Amino acid sequence: DAGVIQSPRHEVTEMGQEVTLRCKPISGHDYLFWYRQTMMRGLELLIYFNNNVPIDDSGMPEDRFSAKMPNASFSTLKIQPSEPRDSAVYFCASTPPGGGRRNEQFFGPGTRLTVL
Amino acid sequence: KQEVTQIPAALSVPEGENLVLNCSFTDSAIYNLQWFRQDPGKGLTSLLLIQSSQREQTSGRLNASLDKSSGRSTLYIAASQPGDSATYLCAVLVSGSARQLTFGSGTQLTVLP
Repeated sequence: DAGVIQSPRHEVTEMGQEVTLRCKPISGHDYLFWYRQTMMRGLELLIYFNNNVPIDDSGMPEDRFSAKMPNASFSTLKIQPSEPRDSAVYFCASTPPGGGRRNEQFFGPGTRLTVL
Repeated sequence: KQEVTQIPAALSVPEGENLVLNCSFTDSAIYNLQWFRQDPGKGLTSLLLIQSSQREQTSGRLNASLDKSSGRSTLYIAASQPGDSATYLCAVLVSGSARQLTFGSGTQLTVLP
């Protein structure tokens, strides 16, 4: 299994530009999570999906952030317009269906975003 | 609101030592607790997951314990090696919260050769 795949791995953009981050969860997993990690705030959950449906987006910081999951194998996190304070590492994670041990979350390598 | 604390924030030990990392949480109504490892510039790797009904889990040189009533978990690393150097994070899944994990801020471990 290839694990959770994220692209790009690094993104440098200028303030005001649109940024799109991509994630492919592990095949068969039915939950997908987007996190943001900064030195100041640690790991923060932004939004998560179950069976492609957004369940909780209360962690999305502003309306400039949006996320979609058009199918079970693909999700995007978009920032429009981007600002320097959005600079962070963005992680995608997924979990398999069912309960018990299957609540274990598997993380992608992250996208390091720098907004100049 | 669940809060997860990890102390110390950083720890440096000589190679070969046994060590303990601590994690505490404020709400004991958890479903499980997960320990992760994060290498610099990398994602999180799941190390151990303890269900709320369990007291400990072991994997190789790692042993994680859980005391739900006191809101504490420890990660024991035996015979530490330089390759163990990384940041270790614990995260709890609160009962009834679907799949949302609450993370601690991590302990940065350095094992000196």
